[in-house]
Amino acid sequence: EPEVTQTPSHQVTQMGQEVILRCVPISNHLYFYWYRQILGQKVEFLVSFYNNEISEKSEIFDDQFSVERPDGSNFTLKIRSTKLEDSAMYFCASSPPVGYTFGSGTRLTVV
Amino acid sequence: DAKTTQPPSMDCAEGRAANLPCNHSTISGNEYVYWYRQIHSQGPQYIIHGLKNNETNEMASLIITEDRKSSTLILPHATLRDTAVYYCIVTGVTGGGNKLTFGTGTQLKVEL
Repeated sequence: EPEVTQTPSHQVTQMGQEVILRCVPISNHLYFYWYRQILGQKVEFLVSFYNNEISEKSEIFDDQFSVERPDGSNFTLKIRSTKLEDSAMYFCASSPPVGYTFGSGTRLTVV
Repeated sequence: DAKTTQPPSMDCAEGRAANLPCNHSTISGNEYVYWYRQIHSQGPQYIIHGLKNNETNEMASLIITEDRKSSTLILPHATLRDTAVYYCIVTGVTGGGNKLTFGTGTQLKVEL
């Protein structure tokens, strides 16, 4: 069964550093997403991406966040200057028009 | 997107059917009902979705009431591996895909 692949599975970074979280969506999917889940809290929508541009973003997705599809296979989330409160699981997902497939996540720890 | 209400937790004996209810009384005509589950801290897993007809796939069945104000996810023969948080989500489909708004879901515990 096709999978969404995320790397790394674990990332520890110092506050103020930039991090890039990487995702390889399912190849024939057209819609790409990032979600995050702070420990013990709900899964929260960050951003959706379609046709090489952001189609929707949440209030969480401020200027320190950016997304990119640098080639035909990768989809990245960049956090420019990490804060302690950015510590969370970050999930990438892709979909046809309906029904997502999520990756297994990257656990980001900001120290 | 319409708000959903789910019980916070349910227990089920292994091998029995698990019936997980969801209320979505403010659902609008073009919104779908989706079910996802999350095992531990893994990524959510798509289970099933429907608009107004009942649906069945290899994982589960979805029963939607005629007025569409509530639905029930049925796992016909629950196993220990079905222990997870189950999310009922109502959303439409837009040109840019559809954003999922997760609530707190129902923690299903399947026991021997």
